[in-house]
Amino acid sequence: NAGVMQNPRHLVRRRGQEARLRCSPVKGHSHVYWYRQLPEEGLKFMVYLQKENIIDESGMPKERFSAEFPKEGPSILRIQQVVRGDSAAYFCASSRGQRGEEPQHFGDGTRLSIL
Amino acid sequence: RKEVEQDPGPFNVPEGATVAFNCTYSNSASQSFFWYRQDCRKEPKLLMSVYSSGNEDGRFTAQLNRASQYISLLIRDSKLSDSATYLCVVNDSGFQKLVFGTGTRLLVSP
Repeated sequence: NAGVMQNPRHLVRRRGQEARLRCSPVKGHSHVYWYRQLPEEGLKFMVYLQKENIIDESGMPKERFSAEFPKEGPSILRIQQVVRGDSAAYFCASSRGQRGEEPQHFGDGTRLSIL
Repeated sequence: RKEVEQDPGPFNVPEGATVAFNCTYSNSASQSFFWYRQDCRKEPKLLMSVYSSGNEDGRFTAQLNRASQYISLLIRDSKLSDSATYLCVVNDSGFQKLVFGTGTRLLVSP
């Protein structure tokens, strides 16, 4: 199954630590998206990346959050100095192209818990 | 006003019933429309794209009314396995920035 792979599935951090979430897109997909789902809420767009470029980061919090999609390797969503409010499910998606009608395929998410 | 609004439900229906979900969106410039399905604590999975002419996939029919900014999903002959949360999703730009509704929960009982 060459779907979107995210790891880890579950991540526990203490307040003030760093969290790194990884996402490998579907083979052949060069467009990656990160979404966050807070408990009992819908998914919210965070950032859209292509290889080595951030295309749209309008949904990213201004501080502590960063994302990259290097030429080689998975996309990384990095959260520095985590706080309780960062507890959520973080989903990565990928698409083959950037046209709006191309469907996005989602990974099974990383559930981040902050103690 | 939320960008994409859905009735949260839950909709409780017996097997074999027909059930309809509605969704409205606020941005008249929205380009593309989808229904996704999300099972409890799982990732969203694409159910179907929604086209202006309406489209059908087996027991599922989706409709789009651009003038009213309204999207619908009809499920016929409900199965137990249809129990899930159905997400109305809109692409707000020419690029890929999906806006999700909070979902409508469906429970199909024997």
